[in-house]
Amino acid sequence: KNEVEQSPQNLTAQEGEFITINCSYSVGISALHWLQQHPGGGIVSLFMLSSGKKKHGRLIATINIQEKHSSLHITASHPRDSAVYICAVPFQGAQKLVFGQGTRLTINP
Amino acid sequence: SQTIHQWPATLVQPVGSPLSLECTVEGTSNPNLYWYRQAAGRGLQLLFYSVGIGQISSEVPQNLSASRPQDRQFILSSKKLLLSDSGFYLCAWSRMGHEQFFGPGTRLTVL
Repeated sequence: KNEVEQSPQNLTAQEGEFITINCSYSVGISALHWLQQHPGGGIVSLFMLSSGKKKHGRLIATINIQEKHSSLHITASHPRDSAVYICAVPFQGAQKLVFGQGTRLTINP
Repeated sequence: SQTIHQWPATLVQPVGSPLSLECTVEGTSNPNLYWYRQAAGRGLQLLFYSVGIGQISSEVPQNLSASRPQDRQFILSSKKLLLSDSGFYLCAWSRMGHEQFFGPGTRLTVL
């Protein structure tokens, strides 16, 4: 089974700060997922990436396959970015995902 | 476009009562389907997944069961709920090797 570790577990920052959330995994993968869970519980898929970098608005995800590490960055953070961010990697031929424990981000105005 | 529905949104049930949560997907065919549970303050735990009608894989021993009577319908059931079954239940779908899309979830409280 692929172990997934996220850091930090909790992160509080001021509006406008640059945010970085890290994810490390133990076994080689084909792609990594970043998910966002809002306080109400709904989960949204942010990125699925297998190499390099992807950007969507103020969100940037990077992955280093050799180092088994991915980062999620948020530029010009805003209180509406407050959520739990979860990384996940495939398991058993990509039929299933293994999830990190999540990073709870709070952006204060 | 594809959409995923779950109902009910919230549910309060007494210990020992039965459970049936339903998930349906629109706009795609032969999806992989998943049931997850998230206990309070905890991460996502995969309960069941299905790659086709009638094909169910169980991830953890428990008093829950799942069924897939139709291609785009996934049902989570229990004959007798336990207090420990309380949590937030999420259904998701995906194509093999692609990102997963999650439903809105059902918040279950067992009293």
